[in-house]
Amino acid sequence: ETGVTQSPTHLIKTRGQQVTLRCSSQSGHNTVSWYQQALGQGPQFIFQYYREEENGRGNFPPRFSGLQFPNYSSELNVNALELDDSALYLCASSLGRGGFTEAFFGQGTRLTVV
Amino acid sequence: GQQVMQIPQYQHVQEGEDFTTYCNSSTTLSNIQWYKQRPGGHPVFLIQLVKSGEVKKQKRLTFQFGEAKKNSSLHITATQTTDVGTYFCAGPGGGATNKLIFGTGTLLAVQP
Repeated sequence: ETGVTQSPTHLIKTRGQQVTLRCSSQSGHNTVSWYQQALGQGPQFIFQYYREEENGRGNFPPRFSGLQFPNYSSELNVNALELDDSALYLCASSLGRGGFTEAFFGQGTRLTVV
Repeated sequence: GQQVMQIPQYQHVQEGEDFTTYCNSSTTLSNIQWYKQRPGGHPVFLIQLVKSGEVKKQKRLTFQFGEAKKNSSLHITATQTTDVGTYFCAGPGGGATNKLIFGTGTLLAVQP
């Protein structure tokens, strides 16, 4: 196991609602990245947090937002949920911002929007 | 934008047969990583290749990074049922972030 934990594991929400997903990073890791994985596709980068600041963002609208706390845990918030937001949301922790480090993924949160 | 494609999308083999997945990037990569995702699971890091032409082996798995650093391959010798899953290559997305651009993935099914 990676030591990266996400909660909840499954969630069902109604279109228009808001959701908060949580991630505890691996001990010693200061960088958390969030990915969205639709069924049958590869993970798509949402954004990354490094030492409590957003450090890069993918092609996701502003209703996707996040936070990183002093202990490097993180939250992903999604407002005004749409049906297409149904996906597996993965959190990955790593040490440092550079592109050379291995990413340790949590087990993910399966979000279903109805 | 940067794209990473993999072929095939899906491969079904008999246990004991070999398997290869190919990864191609639209841009030159500083490194390439490979991940395995079991059905219902999350991506798990397998390996990272950095040097042009690099070849690394992990038991029955052989990974190669192309000379131009735009392509890579994963070869599994004598597949086992435990090899079932989706194999993704991923390259850094550039800039100061540690974001990964994942390939489209190859789903491997192994029939006992």
